[in-house]
Amino acid sequence: DTGVSQDPRHKITKRGQNVTFRCDPISEHNRLYWYRQTLGQGPEFLTYFQNEAQLEKSRLLSDRFSAERPKGSFSTLEIQRTEQGDSAMYLCASSLASGGFAEAFFGQGTRLTVV
Amino acid sequence: RKEVEQDPGPFNVPEGATVAFNCTYSNSASQSFFWYRQDCRKEPKLLMSVYSSGNEDGRFTAQLNRASQYISLLIRDSKLSDSATYLCVVNQGGKKLVFGTGTRLLVSP
Repeated sequence: DTGVSQDPRHKITKRGQNVTFRCDPISEHNRLYWYRQTLGQGPEFLTYFQNEAQLEKSRLLSDRFSAERPKGSFSTLEIQRTEQGDSAMYLCASSLASGGFAEAFFGQGTRLTVV
Repeated sequence: RKEVEQDPGPFNVPEGATVAFNCTYSNSASQSFFWYRQDCRKEPKLLMSVYSSGNEDGRFTAQLNRASQYISLLIRDSKLSDSATYLCVVNQGGKKLVFGTGTRLLVSP
């Protein structure tokens, strides 16, 4: 499968625990996005990378959230001290962009439940 | 005001009907526009891009009105398989994608 891969697909954690999600983009895609989606809402932008550089981070992202993309390949999203309000689907997308916009392909997401 | 606004629906239509969805965006500097489709508990997938001159792909027609900051999607001859959530997406300066809340479509026999 050469699409965007996310791991794990599901995660249940206790409030206060740290969690880390991984995203493997389509190879050669230089842009990588993280979004969060809750029931009945569209995906909300969290952050995006151009290669290894994190170019924008949403104000929605509190200090408990951090994302990395070492070497411009896979990316991780970590949430520290999880809260019940963090329960959502976390979507990763990648695109091959050179100047203008190119189609973004989404992974199947990681569904986080904080209990 | 939200950056991208859509009527959440649901729109309930019979098979064969024509249905139209609208979307407005607030950032006049937005450069690219798209419709994505999202099935229940699945990831969003690109349905079509929206060009200034309007564009058509089979039963689907997309229109853009930059002056009014308005995007539309028309679906003709609705099929049961068209039931999904349709997300209006705006790209700001070739960078992040901003999604609307989505419009839910239910096509019934």
